[in-house]
Amino acid sequence: DSGVTQTPKHLITATGQRVTLRCSPRSGDLSVYWYQQSLDQGLQFLIQYYNGEERAKGNILERFSAQQFPDLHSELNLSSLELGDSALYFCASSPNSPGDNEQFFGPGTRLTVL
Amino acid sequence: LAKTTQPISMDSYEGQEVNITCSHNNIATNDYITWYQQFPSQGPRFIIQGYKTKVTNEVASLFIPADRKSSTLSLPRVSLSDTAVYYCLVAPLTGGGNKLTFGTGTQLKVEL
Repeated sequence: DSGVTQTPKHLITATGQRVTLRCSPRSGDLSVYWYQQSLDQGLQFLIQYYNGEERAKGNILERFSAQQFPDLHSELNLSSLELGDSALYFCASSPNSPGDNEQFFGPGTRLTVL
Repeated sequence: LAKTTQPISMDSYEGQEVNITCSHNNIATNDYITWYQQFPSQGPRFIIQGYKTKVTNEVASLFIPADRKSSTLSLPRVSLSDTAVYYCLVAPLTGGGNKLTFGTGTQLKVEL
């Protein structure tokens, strides 16, 4: 158990819909990262937040957005869903203090878009 | 971007030492090399991290030559439970941005 929690575990929805994925980082970790992993693909970095502020952005689609709240939990919002958005979405956290960027990954949310 | 190249797959037998090499010709001065392990339908798990020379912990060793254009993850005496995908990540400690995208990794299969 990494200490990172993600809800829900599974999500099945239809094209055009909007969903919200939730992540709670390890206690004390200030950074939260979101990744997308499609079938047989590597992990694609989406976005990173540090202490409530956006720190880095990857190839995140405009239909996707995220935020980190004052209690440090984070949400990833996916809208106008397409079939190709079906994937595993992982959240990771790290202390992100100097010299310590080891990421701890959550169990993931499996999104299926029908 | 320090694009990484790893073997797609490797097979080994229990008890053998496995070495997985990652090429990263365009590594930047402030980039570190980190290896993660991922089992099916689980999030990746940190294995080891290094900047240069050799790093060893209780599960693996990481060898980085002087030019840092490649690195080798060494798993001593693998077991069936080491069957997983192994990712090499090359990124700075902070502000990695797109460098935080993992490649497709190396699928290691360990057999009896």
